[in-house]
Order: sequence, then structure tokens, then C-alpha cells
Amino acid sequence: DAGVTQSPTHLIKTRGQQVTLRCSPKSGHDTVSWYQQALGQGPQFIFQYYEEEERQRGNFPDRFSGHQFPNYSSELNVNALLLGDSALYLCASSRVFDVAKNIQYFGAGTRLSVL
Amino acid sequence: AQSVTQLDSQVPVFEEAPVELRCNYSSSVSVYLFWYVQYPNQGLQLLLKYLSGSTLVKGINGFEAEFNKSQTSFHLRKPSVHISDTAEYFCAVDLGGGGKLIFGQGTELSVKP
Repeated sequence: DAGVTQSPTHLIKTRGQQVTLRCSPKSGHDTVSWYQQALGQGPQFIFQYYEEEERQRGNFPDRFSGHQFPNYSSELNVNALLLGDSALYLCASSRVFDVAKNIQYFGAGTRLSVL
Repeated sequence: AQSVTQLDSQVPVFEEAPVELRCNYSSSVSVYLFWYVQYPNQGLQLLLKYLSGSTLVKGINGFEAEFNKSQTSFHLRKPSVHISDTAEYFCAVDLGGGGKLIFGQGTELSVKP
């Protein structure tokens, strides 16, 4: 049973560029959440997708956008990259009908470096 | 604003000693509480969760935590640590079960021989 998989594992970009990160949820899961973890910090919630729609959003600018596909996989897009966007980006999946037990399983993350 | 505070940024401890990692939260609504562990260059692994019921919850690797509603705390404990427990530990809350996790800043547990 595959867990949450993310690609790529590492990425180097230049300021002003755009980046797309990808996530495949754990088998049987239908909800994907994205988190940003800056060095030495706890993860911060970016947004959550269910039924191909953004359901919740954290305090992140519109430069951060996402998408969920019919197979429940998801993409995180970041436009006009800033140095401060350098971080580990974590994807987590869960199953909506376990709302009361909303246990999220995390992938290994994508390390983004903006130069 | 709701928040999670992990009271210790670093906890050094000798192997086989007991350890407690402290977590306090602020919330006016019902919460679901979690502890995650992060090994170097890896994602987060769920250690244990409190959803309802018994306030003492047991997790993997011998860890346990106690939910104290009056003190709004969810401290993590292990009676005897191993070198392999060296990692970063994060406390997290889910307010109302919506799936948006709010994390603490993390506690670095360092187990020395």
C-alpha cells in the first residue's frame, strides 16, 4: 500500500520563476492538504483540496495556487518566486468521511530552494 | 487567535531516561490533538492522536500523551528513550475537525549515550 508520494524531492529555482510540485495521496484518501515548512519552523497550512475544489486556505498570498485531479492527486503552484519561498513543502492526505478522525498522512516533502 | 506552544525548543536526555515534551494550545472550540515526529530529511510521521474518549492515549514506539482540557495541554511522554528517538517532535491541533492542522514550533529531542 503506497503512502503519500511527492515529486520532485529537490528543486532549485531563481527568483521570479514559477514552480509546480506534485502529490499523490495514500490509497483510499480523497483529500489533500499542503503545508510549507521553513527551516527550523513547524509546518504552516497553505490550503486543502477535496472534490477538486479548494476547501480551506491558510494565510498565504494568491501566488500560491493549487489543483486537484479526478484521481485525487494534487499540484501546488507558486508564481513569482521569492527568496522567502525556500522551504520544505509537505503534502498530506486524508479521507473526508473520517472527518471526526481527520488523520493526515504526510509525504516526505519537496525541498525548494530559491536563489 | 488559536495557537500551539511547545515549551521547549531543545530537550537533551540520556539513553534509557524518561522524557516529557510539553505542548499547550489555545482554543475555544473542540480540538483534535496530534503528535508527529520528523527524522532528518524526512516528512512527518504520526506518533499518536487524541480525538475523544480516554485522555491518556498511547502511540507508536512506546510514546504516550495525556490530554488535559483544564490546562489546555497535551504533553508527550516516554518512560525510557533510545538513541533512535533522536528527532524533531511536533504537536498539532485540528480545530473542529476541519483538517487544518496548526503546528507548534517543534522540540528537538537529542538522546545521548
